Amino acid sequence: GENVEQHPSTLSVQEGDSAVIKCTYSDSASNYFPWYKQELGKRPQLIIDIRSNVGEKKDQRIAVTLNKTAKHFSLHITETQPEDSAVYFCAAFSGGGADGLTFGKGTHLIIQP
Amino acid sequence: EAQVTQNPRYLITVTGKKLTVTCSQNMNHEYMSWYRQDPGLGLRQIYYSMNVEVTDKGDVPEGYKVSRKEKRNFPLILESPSPNQTSLYFCASTISGPFTDTQYFGPGTRLTVL
Repeated sequence: GENVEQHPSTLSVQEGDSAVIKCTYSDSASNYFPWYKQELGKRPQLIIDIRSNVGEKKDQRIAVTLNKTAKHFSLHITETQPEDSAVYFCAAFSGGGADGLTFGKGTHLIIQP
Repeated sequence: EAQVTQNPRYLITVTGKKLTVTCSQNMNHEYMSWYRQDPGLGLRQIYYSMNVEVTDKGDVPEGYKVSRKEKRNFPLILESPSPNQTSLYFCASTISGPFTDTQYFGPGTRLTVL
C-alpha cells in the first residue's frame, strides 16, 4: 500500500517568514495530494490540494508543488501569521484497488511573534 | 447546513463492552470513511464505504466493524473494545471519493477504553 512520509514533525518560524513542509510518497500511481490543517481541538480541514497532472497550485499565501518523478510534494506558506499555527497533514490517494487516503504523521507549525 | 455529525463526542468505557459511534451526513455523499488519530501517528484510515452496502478495510481495521445500510449513516462498531483503541475518531465524507471532492470531517469522538 501507499506510505507517506512527512517532515519536519515540528516547525517553528518567525511571524512574516515562510514555512515549507515536505512529504514523500511511495506509490507511483498516486494521483491526488490534499493538505489539511487541524487547529487545536478542531477537525481537519482541507486547505489546498493538487492533482498529478499539475506541478504547482497557489491560493493566496499558500501553495503546493508536486514532483512526480521524485514522488514528493510540498506545502509553502508565505508571510506567516499567528493564525497559521496548527498541525498540517499531507495525504496521498492512489486509487486503483484501494480507494483510501493515506496521511502523513503531521507537522506542528508554530508561528513565533 | 451541510455537515457531518458524530455521536457521542466523548466516551469512556471499559474493556469488552460493545459500543457504537454513529456518523451521519446530510449532503447525500456516496463516500464515507472512518479515521483514528493518535499522537505522532497522524490520521489512519480504519474503514471506508464507496456506497450503500459497499465497505472496505483501510489501514487499521482490526477490532472494528462498520455497516452502510443507508447512504447518510456509517456507524463504527467496536465489538470488544480494548485499551489500545483509546483514540480520537473522525468520520468523513465526500461526494464520490477522496479524489473527486473535498473530504468533510465530523467533529471527532474522543474514546477512552479502561
